[in-house]
Amino acid sequence: TQLLEQSPQFLSIQEGENLTVYCNSSSVFSSLQWYRQEPGEGPVLLVTVVTGGEVKKLKRLTFQFGDARKDSSLHITAAQPGDTGLYLCAGASGNNRLAFGKGNQVVVIP
Amino acid sequence: GAVVSQHPSRVICKSGTSVKIECRSLDFQATTMFWYRQFPKQSLMLMATSNEGSKATYEQGVEKDKFLINHASLTLSTLTVTSAHPEDSSFYICSASPGEAQYFGPGTRLLVL
Repeated sequence: TQLLEQSPQFLSIQEGENLTVYCNSSSVFSSLQWYRQEPGEGPVLLVTVVTGGEVKKLKRLTFQFGDARKDSSLHITAAQPGDTGLYLCAGASGNNRLAFGKGNQVVVIP
Repeated sequence: GAVVSQHPSRVICKSGTSVKIECRSLDFQATTMFWYRQFPKQSLMLMATSNEGSKATYEQGVEKDKFLINHASLTLSTLTVTSAHPEDSSFYICSASPGEAQYFGPGTRLLVL
């Protein structure tokens, strides 16, 4: 079983602050994907990282894939209330199957 | 990004009845779709891989006779929860992939009374 550990599980910050959440595993993945999920909705894809050491930016969100392709981080700059949500990381293995972490619940207080 | 739809968005049924959930890829073809379930405040758990034109592949612990999957076309997979019981109440989500990334449907909330 490929386990992904996400930390912290819950994070509450004030609007305008920066935050970083982490996704760690002992397994190597062919790619890793980050999603944001709102209550009662399906996850929405934010980014896919494939190459070890890769950094991708999506507006105020910065995603990094570890050199060994086992871990990843998501950094949000100047967080806004619209960033509130459950951030899920998922590692892809054979047959395109995804293994999900439990998520980072982020709450941005106005 | 690619669009995946699910129907219905929510369903309430009596114990013992069967419920069918549809998953469609709207702007791409998908030979493979995935079915997940998610309990409150928990992550997504993969139930099965739906393969177009062949049998689904079920994850360990998932009863194939309980959760029937049919992938009859390149844009449609269905999940039927047979003889549903209250413990089957959950949020069911499908996904499909046009390439590397997976795109998820909006989910179906099932409540079995």
